[in-house]
Amino acid sequence: GNSVTQMEGPVTLSEEAFLTINCTYTATGYPSLFWYVQYPGEGLQLLLKATKADDKGSNKGFEATYRKETTSFHLEKGSVQVSDSAVYFCALSRGGGADGLTFGKGTHLIIQP
Amino acid sequence: EAGVAQSPRYKIIEKRQSVAFWCNPISGHATLYWYQQILGQGPKLLIQFQNNGVVDDSQLPKDRFSAERLKGVDSTLKIQPAKLEDSAVYLCASSLGFSQPQHFGDGTRLSIL
Repeated sequence: GNSVTQMEGPVTLSEEAFLTINCTYTATGYPSLFWYVQYPGEGLQLLLKATKADDKGSNKGFEATYRKETTSFHLEKGSVQVSDSAVYFCALSRGGGADGLTFGKGTHLIIQP
Repeated sequence: EAGVAQSPRYKIIEKRQSVAFWCNPISGHATLYWYQQILGQGPKLLIQFQNNGVVDDSQLPKDRFSAERLKGVDSTLKIQPAKLEDSAVYLCASSLGFSQPQHFGDGTRLSIL
């Protein structure tokens, strides 16, 4: 079946540091890939997505590229801020009619001033 | 626009009791999802509706869980009888249709004593 593996947290960085959160997946066919974010006290929000190989999703300075050859969708940001502190979830959808999401376990990111 | 509404926010019951959760999706959203998020894990899809029909319930423990969306708008998820391992946050999400971004509610936190 489908599965998503992402790096364990918590990840602690200083403000303005470079961020990478690794995500790899196992899926049949051609899934769509997502990053969701959950800020403290808030619900899950879509951060970015990519629907086919080599697509790059981007939003709020975050980027992730759909790499089919390495089955990866790593999240990156060049300079993190304290306000980026949150839990980040990588997810996939197999698309078509049954497009429920398969999530990774989440990575808690802590940015220190 | 109003977001996905869920109630109650919190529920505490004893094992073997019954419980029900309610979800009101964003107006006009045809697709509705229920997810279970156990502490420290990513959300897991329980069931997906398209209007009032079930698209995917392959991960729903049907011996104790049931869900309905009778008029294709609101939905209820029921657990009867509850077990200790059902302690989790139950998330509802909705989307305009297949392969469209999912919008999540704040969830119902269920504690089983």
